[in-house]
Amino acid sequence: GDSVTQMEGPVTLSEEACLTINCTYTATGYPSLFWYVQYPGEGLQLLLKATKADDKGSNKGFEATYRKETTSFHLEKGSVQVSDSAVYFCALRRGTGNQFYFGTGTSLTVIP
Amino acid sequence: EAGVAQSPRYKIIEKRQSVAFWCNPISGHATLYWYQQILGQGPKLLIQFQNNGVVDDSQLPKDRFSAERLKGVDSTLKIQPAKLEDSAVYLCASSLTGDRPHEQFFGPGTRLTVL
Repeated sequence: GDSVTQMEGPVTLSEEACLTINCTYTATGYPSLFWYVQYPGEGLQLLLKATKADDKGSNKGFEATYRKETTSFHLEKGSVQVSDSAVYFCALRRGTGNQFYFGTGTSLTVIP
Repeated sequence: EAGVAQSPRYKIIEKRQSVAFWCNPISGHATLYWYQQILGQGPKLLIQFQNNGVVDDSQLPKDRFSAERLKGVDSTLKIQPAKLEDSAVYLCASSLTGDRPHEQFFGPGTRLTVL
């Protein structure tokens, strides 16, 4: 069945370091891919998305490119801030049916 | 625009008791989801509605969990009887329906502790 695998955390980085959180997926058809973020004490919110191969989603300095050949959607940011400390979830939406599948989440802590 | 509303925010019960959660989606969102998020894990879909019909309930433990969305708007999720392993955050989300990959909007969740 459809599934998402993302890199386990927790990840601790110093401010201004580079971030990569790996995400790979298994899906039939042509899924859409998402990154959601959960800040401490808050609900999940969409960070970025990509709907087809080679699309790049971007928001708040974060980027992820939909790579069909490697079935990946890695999240990257060139310079993290303390305010980026959160849990990041990779997710896919099936091409039909609108069902979503989430990864297990990666906790990021950025220290000053 | 108001977001997805959920209540209660927190609930503590003893095992074998019953509990119900309520969700009010964003106005106009035909698709509603209930997820279970156990500590340290990603959200797991329990049930998905489109309007008042069930689209997917394959991972809903139907011997103890039930959900309804009678008028195609608000929804309730019930657990009866609760077990210790049901301790989790229960998330409600809603989205527009259609061929476009609409994002889901999540509510704040209900944190359930079963003692």
